[in-house]
Amino acid sequence: AQKVTQAQTEISVVEKEDVTLDCVYETRDTTYYLFWYKQPPSGELVFLIRRNSFDEQNEISGRYSWNFQKSTSSFNFTITASQVVDSAVYFCALINWTDKLIFGTGTRLQVFP
Amino acid sequence: SQTIHQWPATLVQPVGSPLSLECTVEGTSNPNLYWYRQAAGRGLQLLFYSVGIGQISSEVPQNLSASRPQDRQFILSSKKLLLSDSGFYLCAWSVPLLVGTSLWGTDTQYFGPGTRLTVL
Repeated sequence: AQKVTQAQTEISVVEKEDVTLDCVYETRDTTYYLFWYKQPPSGELVFLIRRNSFDEQNEISGRYSWNFQKSTSSFNFTITASQVVDSAVYFCALINWTDKLIFGTGTRLQVFP
Repeated sequence: SQTIHQWPATLVQPVGSPLSLECTVEGTSNPNLYWYRQAAGRGLQLLFYSVGIGQISSEVPQNLSASRPQDRQFILSSKKLLLSDSGFYLCAWSVPLLVGTSLWGTDTQYFGPGTRLTVL
C-alpha cells in the first residue's frame, strides 16, 4: 500500500530562518512520482515540484530546494531565508501506476515577521 | 495555457438540499478530471475521477455523485446534503502520462480555486 507521512503538523519560524519540511513515503513500486504542493490561506493547491523515482538529483528553485533520497524513502523540502508569504500548508504527495495521488496530512508553516 | 475554473466559490446550503458544483478546464483536451474534498484541518480525500466523457470512478461511497457531460466539464452533485458534506471541494485536472508506449499514469495534477461548502 502507498502511504505518505508528514510527521510535522505545524512549524513556526521567524522570517529569514531556514526551515525543512519532512516527507517520508512508502510504496512497493519502482516507478512513481513525488510532489509538493502549497496551500495558502486562499485554499487553492499550488503545484511546486514533481520528481520521478529514477531521478535522485536534488533540485533548487530560488529559495526552495528539495532533497530526494530513495535509501530513506524521503523527499524533504527546504525553504531558505523564509518569508511571511511562505506561510501556508504544504502537502507532499505520491502517485504510482494506479493513478491515485496519495497525499500526506500536510504541514502548516507559519512565518512570523 | 491551461486554466481551471470552479464555481461557486462559496456556498451555504441547508441539510437535505441538493448540490451542484461545477468545474471546467480550458486549454487542454481529454484531460483526466478529479474531485477532492478537504474537511476542516484535514488532508485531501479523492472522491471521484474521470478519464473521459461519461466515465466516472468513485473512490468513496457516499451521497455524492459526479458526472462528466462534456470533455472539459466535471460536475459534483448531491440530491440531499448531509452535515458531514461540509468542506472544501477541489477539482483537479491532469493529462495521461505515457511511458514508452504504455499509458502508465498521469502527469501532474493541477488544482482549481476550490468551493467552500457549509451545510447547516
